[in-house]
Amino acid sequence: DADVTQTPRNRITKTGKRIMLECSQTKGHDRMYWYRQDPGLGLRLIYYSFDVKDINKGEISDGYSVSRQAQAKFSLSLESAIPNQTALYFCATSDSNQRGYQETQYFGPGTRLLVL
Amino acid sequence: DQQVKQNSPSLSVQEGRISILNCDYTNSMFDYFLWYKKYPAEGPTFLISISSIKDKNEDGRFTVFLNKSAKHLSLHIVPSQPGDSAVYFCAAIENYGGSQGNLIFGKGTKLSVKP
Repeated sequence: DADVTQTPRNRITKTGKRIMLECSQTKGHDRMYWYRQDPGLGLRLIYYSFDVKDINKGEISDGYSVSRQAQAKFSLSLESAIPNQTALYFCATSDSNQRGYQETQYFGPGTRLLVL
Repeated sequence: DQQVKQNSPSLSVQEGRISILNCDYTNSMFDYFLWYKKYPAEGPTFLISISSIKDKNEDGRFTVFLNKSAKHLSLHIVPSQPGDSAVYFCAAIENYGGSQGNLIFGKGTKLSVKP
C-alpha cells in the first residue's frame, strides 16, 4: 500500500465550483505539504502544516485553503475554482524527528485537476 | 525571481554514457540540496542530497557535486540507463538558524536515455 495517497487522482470541474483534494499518509509523519506543478514551472508550495494545529501559507496560497483534520490527513480546498488553477497537485509529508534537520519529503502520486 | 534554476529543460543521453544535470541557485543561505526524480503519473521521489559542508555525495550510480562559490550543483548519473528517463528536480533548503525552511524547487530537467 502507498504511504501517501491522494484522492481523487483526476478531476474535471467547472469555474466557480468548490472542490476538495484529500491527502492521507500512513508514514506517521508530522509535517504535510501541498504543492502544485505547472508545465515549465516546477513545484510550488501552496500550504504546509507542521502539526495538527499549525497551518502556514506557502508561496502561492491565494485561492486555496487547507484543513489538517488529523495528523494523517491534510486536505486542500478550492473555494471557487478558476481555470488557472488547472494543474497537477501533490501532497507531501516529512518527519521532523528525522535525524538532523534536513527532512526528506515523500510525495503522493498527484491529483490532476482541470478547471473548465 | 527564481532562487533555484535548472536552465536545461531537457537532456538526451545514450545508454551507458554519463548524464549531467545542472542546477544553479541564488540564495547564499541555502545549506542543503536535494534531487528528486519524477516519472509520469507519479509523485516525485527523493534521489540524493548534499549538505553545504560537503562538495560531493555519492550513492551508487548517482553523484551530486556542490560548488558553493559558484552556487552550482550537478547530478551525475553513470552509467545512464533507459530507466533513468524521468524529470529531475533540484531543490534547496534555507536554514533559519537551526530551523528548517521549506523546499524551493527548480523547474526540472527531463532526461531521456536512449538505448
